[in-house]
Amino acid sequence: DAGVIQSPRHEVTEMGQEVTLRCKPISGHDYLFWYRQTMMRGLELLIYFNNNVPIDDSGMPEDRFSAKMPNASFSTLKIQPSEPRDSAVYFCASSRLRGYGYTFGSGTRLTVV
Amino acid sequence: DQQVKQNSPSLSVQEGRISILNCDYTNSMFDYFLWYKKYPAEGPTFLISISSIKDKNEDGRFTVFLNKSAKHLSLHIVPSQPGDSAVYFCAARDQAGTALIFGKGTTLSVSS
Repeated sequence: DAGVIQSPRHEVTEMGQEVTLRCKPISGHDYLFWYRQTMMRGLELLIYFNNNVPIDDSGMPEDRFSAKMPNASFSTLKIQPSEPRDSAVYFCASSRLRGYGYTFGSGTRLTVV
Repeated sequence: DQQVKQNSPSLSVQEGRISILNCDYTNSMFDYFLWYKKYPAEGPTFLISISSIKDKNEDGRFTVFLNKSAKHLSLHIVPSQPGDSAVYFCAARDQAGTALIFGKGTTLSVSS
């Protein structure tokens, strides 16, 4: 298995632009998670899905953030409009079982200038 | 408010010595704890875990200890190797939840 695949690896965008991050989970994994890593807050959970349905989005910082999972093999995290404080590394993870066995992707490093 | 706390941002150890990474938590409902390791430009990878019904779990050079009364866990690496240099994240799972809650991480540097 190729693991969790995230794209792009790096994204540099100007403030106010729309940014879309993509994730392909491992086949057969029913749970998908989006995390954000910053120096100040570490790894914080943004949202997670179970069987393509969003379960908990309480970690999404603002309405500028939205996430979708149209099918079992694809998810997106969108920021519109982007702001410099959104600069961080965004990770996608998937798991087969509840609460453990996470496999993380390599992350997308987002820089908003 | 952080439910999982790693109060030491960094730790430096000499090769061959013991590395001890600490983690405190506030939620008594957490029932499962994990440590993840992260190298630069890579995602975190699972290292070792422990259930709340145990107080110790060992896997090779890695041992995790859990003190429920103190709401504290620690990761021991013996002996430490330069390849262990990475960021280590402590994580916990709520009994009622599915998602893992992570600490801020501790950067371990092992010098040869």
